[in-house]
Amino acid sequence: DVKVTQSSRYLVKRTGEKVFLECVQDMDHENMFWYRQDPGLGLRLIYFSYDVKMKEKGDIPEGYSVSREKKERFSLILESASTNQTSMYLCASSLRGAGNTEAFFGQGTRLTVV
Amino acid sequence: AQTVTQSQPEMSVQEAETVTLSCTYDTSESDYYLFWYKQPPSRQMILVIRQEAYKQQNATENRFSVNFQKAAKSFSLKISDSQLGDAAMYFCAYRSLYPGTYKYIFGTGTRLKVLA
Repeated sequence: DVKVTQSSRYLVKRTGEKVFLECVQDMDHENMFWYRQDPGLGLRLIYFSYDVKMKEKGDIPEGYSVSREKKERFSLILESASTNQTSMYLCASSLRGAGNTEAFFGQGTRLTVV
Repeated sequence: AQTVTQSQPEMSVQEAETVTLSCTYDTSESDYYLFWYKQPPSRQMILVIRQEAYKQQNATENRFSVNFQKAAKSFSLKISDSQLGDAAMYFCAYRSLYPGTYKYIFGTGTRLKVLA
């Protein structure tokens, strides 16, 4: 059974903290993604990676960075958490290339910044 | 840039009835892929159905089918014989066919309520 695993389902952090959200996939997928989900806004892409150490900005990268040191792991970093980063974060992975390959998702991390 | 629009924030359907969720998209590309994802209260996103733009035939997966109108850039999802387990958020997504364009573009979602 294919799997994308996010390290936490719920997380509460203080303003100004450095926050790490971890994502691991066991499908040997080349592509990995971080999305942010907010009511009424759908899923918005923060960053994606198409290979180890490769990354590209998505639509809302400000305030975030990412790290991909190993193929199976993609980390999202909030350098200095702010209350407007309170949201649901979804990690996904897919096979290399465009087209018909579906994205597989983790179970999401609901982050609250207080 | 491509965009995906879901104009129905919320829909309701009686159990065993049929419901159609709307999705429109904007693109200048001629070939692409479209997907419908379901997100139940458990938050786990799962693929419902996919459609290749170059295929004329509408995709079908059991009780789920799509009405793909390429010229109108419309991709609606029909759920037949609705069940309580169909209650979820549904997201429409677009993906380009061209190399280097890896991302999935999602709509804002439609929350489906199933009434017993």
